[in-house]
Amino acid sequence: TQLLEQSPQFLSIQEGENLTVYCNSSSVFSSLQWYRQEPGEGPVLLVTVVTGGEVKKLKRLTFQFGDARKDSSLHITAAQPGDTGLYLCAVRMDSNYQLIWGAGTKLIIKP
Amino acid sequence: DTAVSQTPKYLVTQMGNDKSIKCEQNLGHDTMYWYKQDSKKFLKIMFSYNNKELIINETVPNRFSPKSPDKAHLNLHINSLELGDSAVYFCASSQDRGSANYYGYTFGSGTRLTVV
Repeated sequence: TQLLEQSPQFLSIQEGENLTVYCNSSSVFSSLQWYRQEPGEGPVLLVTVVTGGEVKKLKRLTFQFGDARKDSSLHITAAQPGDTGLYLCAVRMDSNYQLIWGAGTKLIIKP
Repeated sequence: DTAVSQTPKYLVTQMGNDKSIKCEQNLGHDTMYWYKQDSKKFLKIMFSYNNKELIINETVPNRFSPKSPDKAHLNLHINSLELGDSAVYFCASSQDRGSANYYGYTFGSGTRLTVV
């Protein structure tokens, strides 16, 4: 079993629709990060959330850290084709600074 | 441009060969990493170096060896390549200052290794 479970694994929607993807765990973390990876490129950091209940916005993207710091969600409003990519959540283990990754949500926004 | 750069972008080679992938970062980061991304897009840590010392070494075959001539470089050398080594390999770097100041990893663009 993976430490981080991301859902859905795959999502294909029309431009203009809203969507939410999730990153869940049974463990508590001091921080959680979201990355987006486009084809042929490495993951790019979108946001780090550190406080339970924290909400951060990045244009049309809204990130929330669960109150118990075990899970997070990413909501995209009025999705655009440029939002297409693999969305990965990751947490850092304080014991050895190793970053643990979810398996990702592959998002396709159709024009 | 400040970045993590890795070369080559694509590498096609025959089984049994030895190859190297180079990585350089000009961000002044303390730690560099090598990741393997399989066909299902799952990222798996292979190695990391902090100030020229290996601090993470996952259970990867000893055919893989990281080499860091200085803080800005972490190269990956692979001996006796096998079909199962085919994947995308990513170099990354980070500057750890504790959880409150953690700005994440900066990744290179990846090296797609194909072993035939």
